[in-house]
Amino acid sequence: DSGVTQTPKHLITATGQRVTLRCSPRSGDLSVYWYQQSLDQGLQFLIQYYNGEERAKGNILERFSAQQFPDLHSELNLSSLELGDSALYFCASSAQGANGNTIYFGEGSWLTVV
Amino acid sequence: AQRVTQPEKLLSVFKGAPVELKCNYSYSGSPELFWYVQYSRQRLQLLLRHISRESIKGFTADLNKGETSFHLKKPFAQEEDSAMYYCALSGNTGFQKLVFGTGTRLLVSP
Repeated sequence: DSGVTQTPKHLITATGQRVTLRCSPRSGDLSVYWYQQSLDQGLQFLIQYYNGEERAKGNILERFSAQQFPDLHSELNLSSLELGDSALYFCASSAQGANGNTIYFGEGSWLTVV
Repeated sequence: AQRVTQPEKLLSVFKGAPVELKCNYSYSGSPELFWYVQYSRQRLQLLLRHISRESIKGFTADLNKGETSFHLKKPFAQEEDSAMYYCALSGNTGFQKLVFGTGTRLLVSP
């Protein structure tokens, strides 16, 4: 158990819908990362937050947004869903940034868009 | 820009054979390199990091700055080593994110 908790574990929804994925980082970790893992794109970095502020942005679509709350949990919002958004979405956390700190991953949220 | 290249999508070996998973990187500064392992689409687990120079489950990796490589090696593969292996990189200054390679699936046959 890495200490990073993600909910829901599985989610099936229709195209055009909106979903929210939730992540609770390890106790004491201030950084949260979101990654998307799909069969054709591999593991793609989406976005990183540190203590509530956005720190780095990767290949995140405009239809997607995220935030980190004062209690340090984070949510990834996916809207106007398309079939191609079906993927495993990982949240990860670390004490600070990736340099010098181990990043721990959650078990992921499986999103299937039908 | 940070970039990690894992040239092999699949590496298939027999039990007891040596294994080398290749990883090359591109980064203008001094990087930190990692290997993560993922079993059957479960969460990614840190296998090892170059700064700790440790050996986990018999795996080792040496950072070669001249060749910009961080290949993962194990002298004798076991069936339970079958998994996806991801090489990852972060910079070592400022506030960094982790960038992954495309992964290599290791299949160890009996």
